Amino acid sequence: DTGVSQDPRHKITKRGQNVTFRCDPISEHNRLYWYRQTLGQGPEFLTYFQNEAQLEKSRLLSDRFSAERPKGSFSTLEIQRTEQGDSAMYLCASSVDLTGPGANVLTFGAGSRLTVL
Amino acid sequence: TQLLEQSPQFLSIQEGENLTVYCNSSSVFSSLQWYRQEPGEGPVLLVTVVTGGEVKKLKRLTFQFGDARKDSSLHITAAQPGDTGLYLCAGEGSGGYQKVTFGTGTKLQVIP
Repeated sequence: DTGVSQDPRHKITKRGQNVTFRCDPISEHNRLYWYRQTLGQGPEFLTYFQNEAQLEKSRLLSDRFSAERPKGSFSTLEIQRTEQGDSAMYLCASSVDLTGPGANVLTFGAGSRLTVL
Repeated sequence: TQLLEQSPQFLSIQEGENLTVYCNSSSVFSSLQWYRQEPGEGPVLLVTVVTGGEVKKLKRLTFQFGDARKDSSLHITAAQPGDTGLYLCAGEGSGGYQKVTFGTGTKLQVIP
């Protein structure tokens, strides 16, 4: 297993177009997260999956954003009708389903950088 | 919403200098994680501190968790150019799936 994979690494699109990002987590990790990060800032939580169930979605996420994890393995994040403000790095992370303080250690992919013109 | 404020936001120092990065919150966390991120890559975990007052050392890096588990610090001794990057603290909530909330980030540049 080579870690968390994200595709594409870079996406340039015109305002109003739809884009989709894919994340392949570490195979034995059943927790999957999407974060958004702008330059020099900390990652901002978007949504979380436990296996195929989407258990939390940020209130900051507009209806144009949707995420799926249909078989509890890979996940997709779709942004419809993109806006310039959507330009950011979209990070995926996964972790093992362990409980207890310090148990939730996230392994991140390299991210998908979106530029909306 | 659990907010984690980091200071300073930016830090540019000469090789060999010492520095401290602070991570503060009004919320209590079950643990505090520190990550380092290089340009074009995702964050990579450096350390997790769990117990209030805990101190962990990783070579030239020293991490401390506040007694009340609301704050943390990262101290780097004799910084090297390889330490350059974005340092992120992240608080792990208690209960449920232990949501991880990231701080605002500290961008460190170490000049040779």
